[in-house]
Amino acid sequence: QQQVKQSPQSLIVQKGGISIINCAYENTAFDYFPWYQQFPGKGPALLIAIRPDVSEKKEGRFTISFNKSAKQFSLHIMDSQPGDSATYFCAASRKGGSRLTFGEGTQLTVNP
Amino acid sequence: KAGVTQTPRYLIKTRGQQVTLSCSPISGHRSVSWYQQTPGQGLQFLFEYFSETQRNKGNFPGRFSGRQFSNSRSEMNVSTLELGDSALYLCASSLSWTGTSSPLHFGNGTRLTVT
Repeated sequence: QQQVKQSPQSLIVQKGGISIINCAYENTAFDYFPWYQQFPGKGPALLIAIRPDVSEKKEGRFTISFNKSAKQFSLHIMDSQPGDSATYFCAASRKGGSRLTFGEGTQLTVNP
Repeated sequence: KAGVTQTPRYLIKTRGQQVTLSCSPISGHRSVSWYQQTPGQGLQFLFEYFSETQRNKGNFPGRFSGRQFSNSRSEMNVSTLELGDSALYLCASSLSWTGTSSPLHFGNGTRLTVT
């Protein structure tokens, strides 16, 4: 019940295209859903986060869509750039805590 | 503001040995968490400290332990190393341990190789 399922495992997109990564969770106690971006040799960096009282959050080219009833959330990267090539992790944490449960990760490659 | 600093960056140890990893959080951050990252298991929570007290612990054996000092710096220790302990160990800090209003900021990790 603590798992977060992420798909796809890998994604190849052309420059300028839209990258979409999906996550699903089981535990309804989760109330914070961040996305992290990780480059090789670096730690994960917070990209954008959402709470379940909001259905969508946009920051620049990055948008989180959240569907509370389906227990799913997704990351959309608009106008994808080669510099966006990285591994993306969705995560979730329970109310009142900062312990993150991570998805399996998606390796995104944006071809020039 | 300096980010989360982890030392050393790389470590090679032999089975049966023990190892201590160090983490300096972002200035002003009082909560420190540790995660293990492996290709097979992904990112897994080890434990979290706030005000020198362990607030939360993941599903790892007792060989994995940690502590936090009064200046919020943290160390984690792994005793009796096994080959399966080879991983990237990530430290993350946040202002508090209540999560939603205090996002985690990760360091670049310590790469531990057990031979």
